[in-house]
Amino acid sequence: DVKVTQSSRYLVKRTGEKVFLECVQDMDHENMFWYRQDPGLGLRLIYFSYDVKMKEKGDIPEGYSVSREKKERFSLILESASTNQTSMYLCASSRQVYYEQYFGPGTRLTVT
Amino acid sequence: GENVEQHPSTLSVQEGDSAVIKCTYSDSASNYFPWYKQELGKRPQLIIDIRSNVGEKKDQRIAVTLNKTAKHFSLHITETQPEDSAVYFCAASISFQKLVFGTGTRLLVSP
Repeated sequence: DVKVTQSSRYLVKRTGEKVFLECVQDMDHENMFWYRQDPGLGLRLIYFSYDVKMKEKGDIPEGYSVSREKKERFSLILESASTNQTSMYLCASSRQVYYEQYFGPGTRLTVT
Repeated sequence: GENVEQHPSTLSVQEGDSAVIKCTYSDSASNYFPWYKQELGKRPQLIIDIRSNVGEKKDQRIAVTLNKTAKHFSLHITETQPEDSAVYFCAASISFQKLVFGTGTRLLVSP
């Protein structure tokens, strides 16, 4: 079974803090993704990576950065958290092209 | 960039009825269209997908149809059951890995 795990299920941070969200997959998938999920807005892609040390901007990259130093791990970084970044963050991974994306359980981040 | 619109936002049916969820996409270059199901409190999971060289695909009670000319695709669920209650997301792929998701449809199946 594919397993995608995220470092925290719930996280509360203060405005201006630097926040790290980590995602690990155990299936040797090439692609990894970070989405945020908000009611009525669906899943919006923040960043994705198709190889170690490679990254591509998604549809809403502003205020976020990512790091992929190892194939199995993809980190999302909020350099200075703001209240409008309060959301559910979902990580996903997949093999190469047009393959199923497997999602992690999500991290519900609250920024106060 | 690609834009995916999904309707309706909520859908209530009686057990045993059929349910249809529709999506439209903007970029004719899109060629991969998956559907994900997210049960309450759980992660999204792929339930069916279709590629642009196919007009229809079925898997037991679910089917997806694609009309490339009109740039729309639909999810059909027959003989709905309470366990079909969930949020369903359509998506379209314009580049080789990136998916653009619709805003989701909350399906409620009443016994």
